[in-house]
Amino acid sequence: DVKVTQSSRYLVKRTGEKVFLECVQDMDHENMFWYRQDPGLGLRLIYFSYDVKMKEKGDIPEGYSVSREKKERFSLILESASTNQTSMYLCASSKPGHVDTQYFGPGTRLTVL
Amino acid sequence: KNEVEQSPQNLTAQEGEFITINCSYSVGISALHWLQQHPGGGIVSLFMLSSGKKKHGRLIATINIQEKHSSLHITASHPRDSAVYICAVRSEETSGSRLTFGEGTQLTVNP
Repeated sequence: DVKVTQSSRYLVKRTGEKVFLECVQDMDHENMFWYRQDPGLGLRLIYFSYDVKMKEKGDIPEGYSVSREKKERFSLILESASTNQTSMYLCASSKPGHVDTQYFGPGTRLTVL
Repeated sequence: KNEVEQSPQNLTAQEGEFITINCSYSVGISALHWLQQHPGGGIVSLFMLSSGKKKHGRLIATINIQEKHSSLHITASHPRDSAVYICAVRSEETSGSRLTFGEGTQLTVNP
């Protein structure tokens, strides 16, 4: 079974703090994604990566950066957390191709006070 | 207007009822996915469709490419089916494996 894990299920941070969210997948997938999910807005893509050290902006990259130094690990960084970044953050991975089913981690609920 | 729209947004049913959730999209697609999200966050993929119909247990997914519409049906619904159901499309116009998601349909099945 594909397994995608995220470093924390719940996280509380203060405004201005630097926040790291880690995602690890064990299926050798080339593609990895970071989404945020907010009520009434659905899943929105922040960044994705299709290979080590490669990244592309999604629909809402402002205020975020990412790092992919190893194939299995994709990190989301909030350089200076703000209250409007309080959200559920979901990581996913997939193998490129026609099927491209995405496998999701359990999510991290981040609260910025 | 969102590229992917689902209806209804919320649905409450009694155990045993037949349920339909609809998804309409406005772009050319190469694939459509139905996903399920249980309370607590975890999302699992139910179906990937590019044409026709697929069935898995009590779940049936159909797609009409010409009408840009897909439906997810649940037969003999059960309280454990209570979840958010999300439609997502892979657009022909976007690069890589990006998906565009609908807002989701919250399904509650009462015993």
